[in-house]
Amino acid sequence: GQQVMQIPQYQHVQEGEDFTTYCNSSTTLSNIQWYKQRPGGHPVFLIQLVKSGEVKKQKRLTFQFGEAKKNSSLHITATQTTDVGTYFCAGSTGNQFYFGTGTSLTVIP
Amino acid sequence: EAGVAQSPRYKIIEKRQSVAFWCNPISGHATLYWYQQILGQGPKLLIQFQNNGVVDDSQLPKDRFSAERLKGVDSTLKIQPAKLEDSAVYLCASSLAQLTRGPTEAFFGQGTRLTVV
Repeated sequence: GQQVMQIPQYQHVQEGEDFTTYCNSSTTLSNIQWYKQRPGGHPVFLIQLVKSGEVKKQKRLTFQFGEAKKNSSLHITATQTTDVGTYFCAGSTGNQFYFGTGTSLTVIP
Repeated sequence: EAGVAQSPRYKIIEKRQSVAFWCNPISGHATLYWYQQILGQGPKLLIQFQNNGVVDDSQLPKDRFSAERLKGVDSTLKIQPAKLEDSAVYLCASSLAQLTRGPTEAFFGQGTRLTVV
């Protein structure tokens, strides 16, 4: 199946610091989605990127889709304790999407 | 709008027993997914339905896992017989996605936490 890797696997930041997670695919993607999963919870959709080089912002979150459509990133500015959770990218080459390995974010107050 | 409903929330069984999970997607959602999420890993797609037809079941261990969505609405996932390595959270998700338009936002249920002892 499709391989979607994320780095880092874990990230601990002090509240107020920035955070970035990177997603890399072994194949060219048609689109990519990002989800957030709180501890003990289920994945919740954040955004979908479709176009090469696309950048979208949601308040303190910035999402990018690479020019080659094989990588993506999520950047959080000035993290808050509510940002705690695991962030997954999910890449699609057709009608299915495959989740990445996830980055677990811990925010230290 | 009601979300994706799954039951049971928790299940503990002995290895070699069978178990079934149920999912009721959001009304009107054509696409239904079953994912397996092992602790510390990302969700792994087991099977995807478009209405009552299977779109992708390439990662479903068909010797022990089966799933159906007979009327194109709710779905069941069965494991028979269970193995220790099947211990995981089984997530059901649904979306409005149509095959001709590509994937759209998926809404997940709370999941069923399965423990095989």
